[in-house]
Amino acid sequence: GESVGLHLPTLSVQEGDNSIINCAYSNSASDYFIWYKQESGKGPQFIIDIRSNMDKRQGQRVTVLLNKTVKHLSLQIAATQPGDSAVYFCAELPGDYKLSFGAGTTVTVRA
Amino acid sequence: GAVVSQHPSWVICKSGTSVKIECRSLDFQATTMFWYRQFPKQSLMLMATSNEGSKATYEQGVEKDKFLINHASLTLSTLTVTSAHPEDSSFYICSARGGSGETQYFGPGTRLLVL
Repeated sequence: GESVGLHLPTLSVQEGDNSIINCAYSNSASDYFIWYKQESGKGPQFIIDIRSNMDKRQGQRVTVLLNKTVKHLSLQIAATQPGDSAVYFCAELPGDYKLSFGAGTTVTVRA
Repeated sequence: GAVVSQHPSWVICKSGTSVKIECRSLDFQATTMFWYRQFPKQSLMLMATSNEGSKATYEQGVEKDKFLINHASLTLSTLTVTSAHPEDSSFYICSARGGSGETQYFGPGTRLLVL
Protein backbone atom coordinates (compact mmCIF):
# COMPACT_ATOMS: atom_id res chain seq x y z
CA GLY A 1 0.00 0.00 0.00
CA GLU A 2 0.96 3.61 -0.15
CA SER A 3 3.09 4.86 2.69
CA VAL A 4 5.24 7.67 3.89
CA GLY A 5 8.92 6.96 4.10
CA LEU A 6 12.12 8.72 4.99
CA HIS A 7 15.25 8.57 2.89
CA LEU A 8 17.77 8.13 5.70
CA PRO A 9 17.31 6.53 9.11
CA THR A 10 20.07 8.57 10.79
CA LEU A 11 21.63 11.98 10.40
CA SER A 12 24.67 13.30 12.23
CA VAL A 13 25.20 17.03 12.12
CA GLN A 14 27.68 19.43 13.64
CA GLU A 15 26.28 21.91 16.12
CA GLY A 16 25.63 25.18 14.37
CA ASP A 17 25.25 23.64 10.92
CA ASN A 18 21.99 23.37 9.05
CA SER A 19 20.14 20.04 8.97
CA ILE A 20 18.03 18.69 6.15
CA ILE A 21 15.72 15.76 6.75
CA ASN A 22 14.00 14.22 3.76
CA CYS A 23 10.76 12.36 3.35
CA ALA A 24 9.12 10.68 0.37
CA TYR A 25 5.41 10.08 0.21
CA SER A 26 3.41 8.10 -2.28
CA ASN A 27 -0.22 8.92 -1.58
CA SER A 28 -1.10 11.58 -4.11
CA ALA A 29 -4.41 12.13 -2.31
CA SER A 30 -2.66 13.57 0.76
CA ASP A 31 -3.13 17.29 1.06
CA TYR A 32 -1.69 17.99 4.46
CA PHE A 33 1.70 17.15 5.92
CA ILE A 34 3.19 17.49 9.36
CA TRP A 35 6.65 17.16 10.83
CA TYR A 36 6.94 15.86 14.38
CA LYS A 37 9.90 15.67 16.72
CA GLN A 38 10.09 12.88 19.26
CA GLU A 39 12.62 12.89 22.04
CA SER A 40 13.49 9.70 23.85
CA GLY A 41 10.67 8.48 26.07
CA LYS A 42 8.29 11.26 25.06
CA GLY A 43 5.38 11.71 22.72
CA PRO A 44 5.74 13.37 19.31
CA GLN A 45 5.85 17.13 19.36
CA PHE A 46 4.36 19.18 16.53
CA ILE A 47 7.00 21.18 14.66
CA ILE A 48 5.46 22.54 11.49
CA ASP A 49 2.84 21.69 8.92
CA ILE A 50 2.17 22.49 5.29
CA ARG A 51 -0.77 22.15 2.96
CA SER A 52 -0.52 20.85 -0.57
CA ASN A 53 -1.33 24.25 -2.05
CA MET A 54 1.98 25.56 -0.69
CA ASP A 55 5.55 24.63 -1.50
CA LYS A 56 7.32 26.28 1.39
CA ARG A 57 6.53 27.29 4.94
CA GLN A 58 8.81 28.76 7.54
CA GLY A 59 8.74 28.63 11.29
CA GLN A 60 11.21 29.48 13.96
CA ARG A 61 14.51 27.99 12.74
CA VAL A 62 12.62 25.44 10.68
CA THR A 63 11.47 25.39 7.08
CA VAL A 64 9.37 22.75 5.38
CA LEU A 65 9.55 22.31 1.62
CA LEU A 66 6.99 20.38 -0.38
CA ASN A 67 7.60 19.17 -3.92
CA LYS A 68 4.38 17.62 -5.14
CA THR A 69 5.84 16.74 -8.53
CA VAL A 70 8.20 14.19 -7.02
CA LYS A 71 6.19 13.66 -3.82
CA HIS A 72 8.99 14.86 -1.60
CA LEU A 73 8.93 16.66 1.71
CA SER A 74 11.88 18.05 3.60
CA LEU A 75 12.52 19.71 6.94
CA GLN A 76 15.35 22.15 7.26
CA ILE A 77 16.65 23.13 10.68
CA ALA A 78 18.85 26.19 10.82
CA ALA A 79 21.78 26.43 13.21
CA THR A 80 21.20 23.00 14.70
CA GLN A 81 21.47 22.85 18.47
CA PRO A 82 22.04 19.94 20.87
CA GLY A 83 18.38 20.14 21.86
CA ASP A 84 17.45 19.27 18.29
CA SER A 85 18.73 15.73 18.79
CA ALA A 86 15.67 13.52 18.42
CA VAL A 87 13.76 11.33 16.01
CA TYR A 88 11.91 13.27 13.35
CA PHE A 89 8.80 11.89 11.69
CA CYS A 90 7.00 13.17 8.68
CA ALA A 91 3.31 12.38 8.51
CA GLU A 92 0.79 12.73 5.73
CA LEU A 93 -2.93 13.13 6.01
CA PRO A 94 -5.02 11.61 3.26
CA GLY A 95 -8.74 12.13 3.10
CA ASP A 96 -9.68 9.82 5.98
CA TYR A 97 -8.04 12.07 8.57
CA LYS A 98 -5.75 9.31 9.82
CA LEU A 99 -2.13 10.30 9.91
CA SER A 100 0.33 8.02 8.20
CA PHE A 101 3.80 8.17 9.70
CA GLY A 102 7.13 7.54 8.12
CA ALA A 103 9.80 5.41 9.75
CA GLY A 104 11.60 8.32 11.36
CA THR A 105 15.06 9.86 11.07
CA THR A 106 17.30 9.96 14.12
CA VAL A 107 19.18 13.24 14.27
CA THR A 108 22.31 13.40 16.39
CA VAL A 109 23.97 16.75 16.97
CA ARG A 110 27.75 16.68 17.51
CA ALA A 111 29.21 19.27 19.83
CA GLY B 1 -2.25 25.84 23.74
CA ALA B 2 -3.12 22.36 22.44
CA VAL B 3 -1.80 20.40 25.40
CA VAL B 4 -2.56 16.72 25.77
CA SER B 5 -1.78 14.79 28.93
CA GLN B 6 -1.64 11.10 29.71
CA HIS B 7 -1.85 9.27 32.98
CA PRO B 8 -0.05 7.30 34.17
CA SER B 9 3.27 8.02 32.50
CA TRP B 10 4.43 4.50 33.23
CA VAL B 11 2.93 1.39 34.76
CA ILE B 12 4.16 -2.04 35.71
CA CYS B 13 1.60 -4.76 36.19
CA LYS B 14 1.32 -8.50 36.54
CA SER B 15 0.22 -10.67 33.67
CA GLY B 16 -3.55 -11.11 33.61
CA THR B 17 -4.43 -7.77 35.15
CA SER B 18 -6.11 -4.88 33.36
CA VAL B 19 -4.58 -1.44 32.98
CA LYS B 20 -6.38 1.80 32.22
CA ILE B 21 -4.63 4.73 30.54
CA GLU B 22 -6.20 8.18 30.45
CA CYS B 23 -5.76 10.78 27.74
CA ARG B 24 -6.92 14.34 28.31
CA SER B 25 -6.99 17.44 26.17
CA LEU B 26 -6.28 20.22 28.64
CA ASP B 27 -7.06 23.40 26.75
CA PHE B 28 -9.25 22.38 23.86
CA GLN B 29 -12.15 20.12 23.11
CA ALA B 30 -11.10 17.00 21.27
CA THR B 31 -13.78 15.69 19.01
CA THR B 32 -11.48 12.91 17.91
CA MET B 33 -8.77 11.08 19.78
CA PHE B 34 -6.35 8.51 18.49
CA TRP B 35 -4.45 5.75 20.24
CA TYR B 36 -1.07 4.63 18.99
CA ARG B 37 1.39 1.98 19.98
CA GLN B 38 5.12 2.31 19.49
CA PHE B 39 7.82 -0.31 19.82
CA PRO B 40 11.47 0.66 20.42
CA LYS B 41 13.10 2.32 17.43
CA GLN B 42 9.95 2.03 15.37
CA SER B 43 7.33 4.39 14.11
CA LEU B 44 3.88 4.94 15.58
CA MET B 45 1.22 2.37 14.79
CA LEU B 46 -2.37 3.56 14.89
CA MET B 47 -4.54 1.28 17.00
CA ALA B 48 -7.89 3.01 16.97
CA THR B 49 -9.77 6.22 16.41
CA SER B 50 -12.41 7.40 18.82
CA ASN B 51 -15.01 10.09 18.42
CA GLU B 52 -16.74 11.54 21.42
CA GLY B 53 -19.94 9.67 22.22
CA SER B 54 -19.52 6.91 19.69
CA LYS B 55 -17.76 3.58 19.43
CA ALA B 56 -14.11 3.50 18.53
CA THR B 57 -12.94 2.40 15.11
CA TYR B 58 -10.14 -0.12 15.34
CA GLU B 59 -7.38 -0.70 12.82
CA GLN B 60 -7.03 -4.07 11.21
CA GLY B 61 -5.38 -6.57 13.52
CA VAL B 62 -6.18 -4.70 16.72
CA GLU B 63 -8.44 -6.65 19.06
CA LYS B 64 -11.27 -4.44 20.26
CA ASP B 65 -12.02 -6.71 23.21
CA LYS B 66 -8.41 -6.56 24.24
CA PHE B 67 -8.01 -2.81 23.95
CA LEU B 68 -11.16 -1.13 25.23
CA ILE B 69 -11.53 2.52 24.31
CA ASN B 70 -13.97 4.95 25.83
CA HIS B 71 -14.37 8.58 24.74
CA ALA B 72 -17.06 9.75 27.10
CA SER B 73 -16.34 13.46 26.97
CA LEU B 74 -14.73 16.02 24.70
CA THR B 75 -11.64 16.11 26.89
CA LEU B 76 -11.13 12.52 27.99
CA SER B 77 -10.50 9.20 26.32
CA THR B 78 -9.40 6.03 28.07
CA LEU B 79 -7.64 2.94 26.81
CA THR B 80 -7.97 -0.20 28.90
CA VAL B 81 -5.63 -3.07 28.18
CA THR B 82 -7.55 -6.07 29.43
CA SER B 83 -5.87 -9.21 30.75
CA ALA B 84 -2.48 -7.81 29.90
CA HIS B 85 0.32 -10.12 28.84
CA PRO B 86 4.06 -9.48 28.42
CA GLU B 87 3.62 -9.01 24.67
CA ASP B 88 1.39 -6.02 25.42
CA SER B 89 4.38 -4.22 26.91
CA SER B 90 4.89 -1.14 24.81
CA PHE B 91 4.75 2.65 24.66
CA TYR B 92 1.16 3.81 24.23
CA ILE B 93 0.56 7.31 22.94
CA CYS B 94 -2.67 9.19 22.44
CA SER B 95 -3.33 12.19 20.26
CA ALA B 96 -6.22 14.57 20.03
CA ARG B 97 -7.73 16.67 17.31
CA GLY B 98 -10.20 19.45 17.91
CA GLY B 99 -13.20 20.50 15.86
CA SER B 100 -12.51 20.73 12.16
CA GLY B 101 -8.79 21.01 12.69
CA GLU B 102 -6.45 18.59 11.01
CA THR B 103 -3.47 18.83 13.32
CA GLN B 104 -3.12 16.12 15.92
CA TYR B 105 -1.44 16.94 19.21
CA PHE B 106 0.17 14.11 21.07
CA GLY B 107 0.32 13.18 24.70
CA PRO B 108 3.61 12.34 26.43
CA GLY B 109 2.98 8.61 26.22
CA THR B 110 2.51 5.81 28.73
CA ARG B 111 5.09 3.09 29.06
CA LEU B 112 3.51 -0.24 30.00
CA LEU B 113 5.54 -3.16 31.30
CA VAL B 114 3.71 -6.41 31.90
CA LEU B 115 5.60 -8.92 34.00
